[in-house]
Amino acid sequence: ETGVTQSPTHLIKTRGQQVTLRCSSQSGHNTVSWYQQALGQGPQFIFQYYREEENGRGNFPPRFSGLQFPNYSSELNVNALELDDSALYLCASSPQGGDTEAFFGQGTRLTVV
Amino acid sequence: GQQLNQSPQSMFIQEGEDVSMNCTSSSIFNTWLWYKQDPGEGPVLLIALYKAGELTSNGRLTAQFGITRKDSFLNISASIPSDVGIYFCAGQKSTNAGKSTFGDGTTLTVKP
Repeated sequence: ETGVTQSPTHLIKTRGQQVTLRCSSQSGHNTVSWYQQALGQGPQFIFQYYREEENGRGNFPPRFSGLQFPNYSSELNVNALELDDSALYLCASSPQGGDTEAFFGQGTRLTVV
Repeated sequence: GQQLNQSPQSMFIQEGEDVSMNCTSSSIFNTWLWYKQDPGEGPVLLIALYKAGELTSNGRLTAQFGITRKDSFLNISASIPSDVGIYFCAGQKSTNAGKSTFGDGTTLTVKP
C-alpha cells in the first residue's frame, strides 16, 4: 500500500457529462500528479499540483482541470466527456515539490458511454 | 510529443529463466525509472537511475541508464511466477518525480 487513495474506484458516465475524480496524497506529500492510462498503454502525464498551484501540464485540452486543497488532496475534473476519455486515471503523490519518488494510487477506472 | 519505445511488447517465459527488456527514446532523459503494474493497481517503482552509465540492482532486478541518456534496460534473473505483470519504463527530463514520460509496457507471463 502506498498511502495514496483514489475515489471512486470505478465510474460510468455518459458522453457530454462532467466528472470529478479525487485523490488523497500520502501523509507529508505536497505534490500530486495526475495521469491518464488508456487500455494497453502507459500512463500519460496530465498535470501536476504543488502547494495548490498547477506546476506543469501535459498535452491535454483545457476541459481537463484540477484543484489541490490545503491538505494537499486533489481533484481532477473533466468536462464534456468524450468516448476517448475512457481510461484508468492515476494520481501520484510525492514530497517536497516532487524531487523524490512518486507513489501511485490504485486508480479510478472511468468508462464513458 | 516525446515517446518511449519499449520492447518487447510481451514475453512468455519459463520459471527460472532470465528476462531482458529495454526502452529507447529520441530524446535525452536525466532520470530513468522502471515500474511494475499489477492488474487493478497503480505502477510501483522498482528501480530509479540518475546518472548516465549507472547500473543499479534491486534483488533479482538490474537496470542500466544508457550512456547516451536515450535508453535503458531492465533484467530480471531467475524469474518466478510473481514476476508476472506489466513493466513500464519512464523517463524524466528534470528531477521532478511526478512528471514522467512512460513507455507502453512489456507484459511478462511466467509459466511454472
